[in-house]
Amino acid sequence: GEDVEQSLFLSVREGDSSVINCTYTDSSSTYLYWYKQEPGAGLQLLTYIFSNMDMKQDQRLTVLLNKKDKHLSLRIADTQTGDSAIYFCAVADSGNTPLVFGKGTRLSVIA
Amino acid sequence: NAGVTQTPKFRILKIGQSMTLQCTQDMNHNYMYWYRQDPGMGLKLIYYSVGAGITDKGEVPNGYNVSRSTTEDFPLRLELAAPSQTSVYFCASSGLGTDTQYFGPGTRLTVL
Repeated sequence: GEDVEQSLFLSVREGDSSVINCTYTDSSSTYLYWYKQEPGAGLQLLTYIFSNMDMKQDQRLTVLLNKKDKHLSLRIADTQTGDSAIYFCAVADSGNTPLVFGKGTRLSVIA
Repeated sequence: NAGVTQTPKFRILKIGQSMTLQCTQDMNHNYMYWYRQDPGMGLKLIYYSVGAGITDKGEVPNGYNVSRSTTEDFPLRLELAAPSQTSVYFCASSGLGTDTQYFGPGTRLTVL
């Protein structure tokens, strides 16, 4: 089955850019998502990209997709302390098929 | 629209007890899902449903049962609770043609 891998921790200084990486194994994954989870809270959808796109920008967030390498990244510009959270990469074959999640990357922002 | 609602928010069970986690959506979505999130882990699919009367197993279905008698409701039943079922349970739904799943706030379950 599909496997989604993320690095577990990332620490950045406030104001710097953060880059969170994700790799997946199944080339049929056409919907690729980034979720944010703050402590004790639910999942907040940040952004998503389709596999026929290379890049998507949404304010401070930039998603890059290298479909050949099955590599997805999320860049957060001007990282703030409020961005400290766990970020999950998730993939699916369509908008209605179950999501496969990575284990999440814990982002710590140092003031 | 309330979106996806889950009850209860928190629950503590003793080993061997049973309970039902409730999930309701008011968006007329055909597709509904149950995921569990263990500490320090991502979410894993327990069961999902593509419409009323149709359910299918996910990656971790053992110890759980589901039913889908209406479009709105997708309850998850735990029989004979075990400590390994201590987790946060998320319900989600999606509609035909939607690009994303809508998640409920979660139920935090502890089995002691």
